Amino acid sequence: GENVEQHPSTLSVQEGDSAVIKCTYSDSASNYFPWYKQELGKRPQLIIDIRSNVGEKKDQRIAVTLNKTAKHFSLHITETQPEDSAVYFCAAFSSGSARQLTFGSGTQLTVLP
Amino acid sequence: DADVTQTPRNRITKTGKRIMLECSQTKGHDRMYWYRQDPGLGLRLIYYSFDVKDINKGEISDGYSVSRQAQAKFSLSLESAIPNQTALYFCATSDSTGADEKLFFGSGTQLSVL
Repeated sequence: GENVEQHPSTLSVQEGDSAVIKCTYSDSASNYFPWYKQELGKRPQLIIDIRSNVGEKKDQRIAVTLNKTAKHFSLHITETQPEDSAVYFCAAFSSGSARQLTFGSGTQLTVLP
Repeated sequence: DADVTQTPRNRITKTGKRIMLECSQTKGHDRMYWYRQDPGLGLRLIYYSFDVKDINKGEISDGYSVSRQAQAKFSLSLESAIPNQTALYFCATSDSTGADEKLFFGSGTQLSVL
C-alpha cells in the first residue's frame, strides 16, 4: 500500500519568514495530494490540494508543489503569521483500486512573534 | 450549517469494557470514515464505508468494528477496550468525485482506556 513520509516533525519560524514542509509518497498511482491544517484542539481542515496533472498551485500565502518523477510534494507558507501555528498533514490518494487517503505523520509549525 | 457530529466528545473507560463512538452527518455524503490520531503517527484509517451496505477495513481495524446504520450514521465499537486504544478518534465524510477525496472531519472523541 501507499506510504507517505513527512518532514520535519516540528518547525519553528519567525513571524514573517517562510515555512516549507515536505512529503514523499511511494505509490506511483497516487494522483491527488491534499494538505490539512489542525489548530490546537480543533478538527483537521483542508487548506489546499493538488492533482497530479499540475506542478504548482497557489492560494494567497500558501502554495503546494508536486514533483511526480521524484514522488514528492511540498507545502510553502510565505509571510507566516501567528495564526499559521498548527499541525499540518500531507496526504496522498489514488483513484485506482485502493481509493484511500494515506496521511503523513504531521508537522507541528510554530510561528514565533 | 451541514456538519459532522461526534458523540461523546470525551470518554474514560476501563480495560475490557465495550464502548461505542457515534457519528452523524447532515452533509448528505455517501462516504464515511473513522480515523485514529496518535501523537507522531498522524491520522490512521480504521474503517470506511461508501454506502449503507458497504464496510471496508482500513490500516488498523483489529480490535474495532463498525456499523453503518443509515447514510447519515456510522458507529465505531471497541468490543473489549485496551489501554493502547487510548487516542483521539475522528469521523469524516467525503463527497468524492472519484478523482479526489476531500474529507470533512467531526470534532473528535478523546478516548482514554484505563
